[in-house]
Amino acid sequence: DTGVSQNPRHKITKRGQNVTFRCDPISEHNRLYWYRQTLGQGPEFLTYFQNEAQLEKSRLLSDRFSAERPKGSFSTLEIQRTEQGDSAMYLCASSPQGGYGYTFGSGTRLTVV
Amino acid sequence: LAKTTQPISMDSYEGQEVNITCSHNNIATNDYITWYQQFPSQGPRFIIQGYKTKVTNEVASLFIPADRKSSTLSLPRVSLSDTAVYYCLVGDKAAGNKLTFGGGTRVLVKP
Repeated sequence: DTGVSQNPRHKITKRGQNVTFRCDPISEHNRLYWYRQTLGQGPEFLTYFQNEAQLEKSRLLSDRFSAERPKGSFSTLEIQRTEQGDSAMYLCASSPQGGYGYTFGSGTRLTVV
Repeated sequence: LAKTTQPISMDSYEGQEVNITCSHNNIATNDYITWYQQFPSQGPRFIIQGYKTKVTNEVASLFIPADRKSSTLSLPRVSLSDTAVYYCLVGDKAAGNKLTFGGGTRVLVKP
């Protein structure tokens, strides 16, 4: 078990470009979560999946954001037409169903210039 | 989800015990109390979870009074590597839904 893996660790992009992040959860965890964290703040919930179903989305997740988990394993988070305000750490976590033990990845730090 | 209130920051010295108290006046019957630790440029890491009384593991102790309206995370004999942000969260263990983080407590351990 290698934990939750996120790629890339860092991404610098120009405003207006699209970016995609990947999260590989712990294999036996069927729940997967995405969070966003800005400097000095706690993580903010974006969305979560149970298997391949996206069960909840935060209002923070504008129509420029889309997340998928096509086979109930890895997940991708895409941001279209990036804006400077999208600069943040994007964290992925996974948990077993019925459990409260979330395991977070190390995150992807996005910088929009 | 019950809202939590915790100090913004705390300073301590190596070898001392650090106690961080979290208030959660609106905690529900099914809610558990969970603490996470976060180092810079890393995701939060689960430390400890409890429902009532006292829970202890190899890292910390969690004290929860009978009314459960607050909880105290105790870190024994801290070292410089315990410098981190500590988050208190309250939620239904069975729900498995999103965690709601507050601002956390920034603990600085000095030599």
